Amino acid sequence: GQNIDQPTEMTATEGAIVQINCTYQTSGFNGLFWYQQHAGEAPTFLSYNVLDGLEEKGRFSSFLSRSKGYSYLLLKELQMKDSASYLCAVMDSNYQLIWGAGTKLIIKP
Amino acid sequence: DGGITQSPKYLFRKEGQNVTLSCEQNLNHDAMYWYRQDPGQGLRLIYYSQIVNDFQKGDIAEGYSVSREKKESFPLTVTSAQKNPTAFYLCASSTPTGDSSPLHFGNGTRLTVT
Repeated sequence: GQNIDQPTEMTATEGAIVQINCTYQTSGFNGLFWYQQHAGEAPTFLSYNVLDGLEEKGRFSSFLSRSKGYSYLLLKELQMKDSASYLCAVMDSNYQLIWGAGTKLIIKP
Repeated sequence: DGGITQSPKYLFRKEGQNVTLSCEQNLNHDAMYWYRQDPGQGLRLIYYSQIVNDFQKGDIAEGYSVSREKKESFPLTVTSAQKNPTAFYLCASSTPTGDSSPLHFGNGTRLTVT
């Protein structure tokens, strides 16, 4: 079966750096997405990786290793507003999105 | 501003009643989707539509129905046959399936059935 694994919850301190991991086993691979979702709100797009390596976008970076079935989202200079759930999703060979359960990130002052 | 509008934000129904959730988009997107989100689980696809007057079942279509009579609109009906309908429902849209464009989501409807 297809599977996406992420930690359920992480805690970090304001101003620090946090890395949220995502491992996947899917039927084929056509890219990996990261979304941010604040409680009770819509998920919003953060990043897309289809080739191995690091994509940097301001305070957020996303890394992909296709051979290891692994990605991470790196958040720098954490702010209180970064408290949210972070969803990892992989597009399989049929261009269907397979979603992880999300990682709830708690930022403490 | 372009976007997706879901209404209502909160919906309460008695068991045995059908209920319809609204989803409208003005992004001119061809593809639209309905997802269900439950605590501790990833988003699960209920139905999707790639073009007007056509739609396909997702992974958990039983107990749900949809229509796509207009490009802008993709309403979801939760029928009395859905065994566990209480959940957070998200509508999304994108450019045609097969490219890497991200999904744009509405703000969701939280349905509670008692």
